[in-house]
Amino acid sequence: GQQVMQIPQYQHVQEGEDFTTYCNSSTTLSNIQWYKQRPGGHPVFLIQLVKSGEVKKQKRLTFQFGEAKKNSSLHITATQTTDVGTYFCAGLSGSARQLTFGSGTQLTVLP
Amino acid sequence: DSGVTQTPKHLITATGQRVTLRCSPRSGDLSVYWYQQSLDQGLQFLIQYYNGEERAKGNILERFSAQQFPDLHSELNLSSLELGDSALYFCASSEGWGGGEKLFFGSGTQLSVL
Repeated sequence: GQQVMQIPQYQHVQEGEDFTTYCNSSTTLSNIQWYKQRPGGHPVFLIQLVKSGEVKKQKRLTFQFGEAKKNSSLHITATQTTDVGTYFCAGLSGSARQLTFGSGTQLTVLP
Repeated sequence: DSGVTQTPKHLITATGQRVTLRCSPRSGDLSVYWYQQSLDQGLQFLIQYYNGEERAKGNILERFSAQQFPDLHSELNLSSLELGDSALYFCASSEGWGGGEKLFFGSGTQLSVL
């Protein structure tokens, strides 16, 4: 079945440093979504990417979808303490009927 | 507030017991999804309903069952509970069923099986 791998599992950064999490799928994806889960909270939708090579920005967050539509990344510039949480990617392949979530990257931002 | 309501927030029970988790989707959303999140784990898809019909099934145990009622609320029934069933159970909803839908998650039910 479809597998979505996400690395790293944990990341500690100093406030102001950049952060990147990577998502890789075993199959070609029709789209990929990103969610953020704050500690003790629930996942909240951030963005969806559909096109090959697509790049979208939300303030300090940059999302990319690979040319082959098998990988994606989320880059945060100049992290802030409000960025703390776990970031999940979730991909949908052509044959699947539901999203497959990656295992998440837990981001800690040290003040 | 996502607009998705889950009850109860916490549930403590013993092995062998049966519990029911309830979810009310956002107004206008026809799809309901159930996910299981164990400690330091990702989100494991259990099952999806769309407008009362089962739409997709994930790695849901035979001891678990779900349904979506005419008013679109959903219930997840967990029976013959085991220690390993302790987890955070999320319900999510979306407007459609296509799989590429944006999901709105509830705040979850924390289940502890002792």
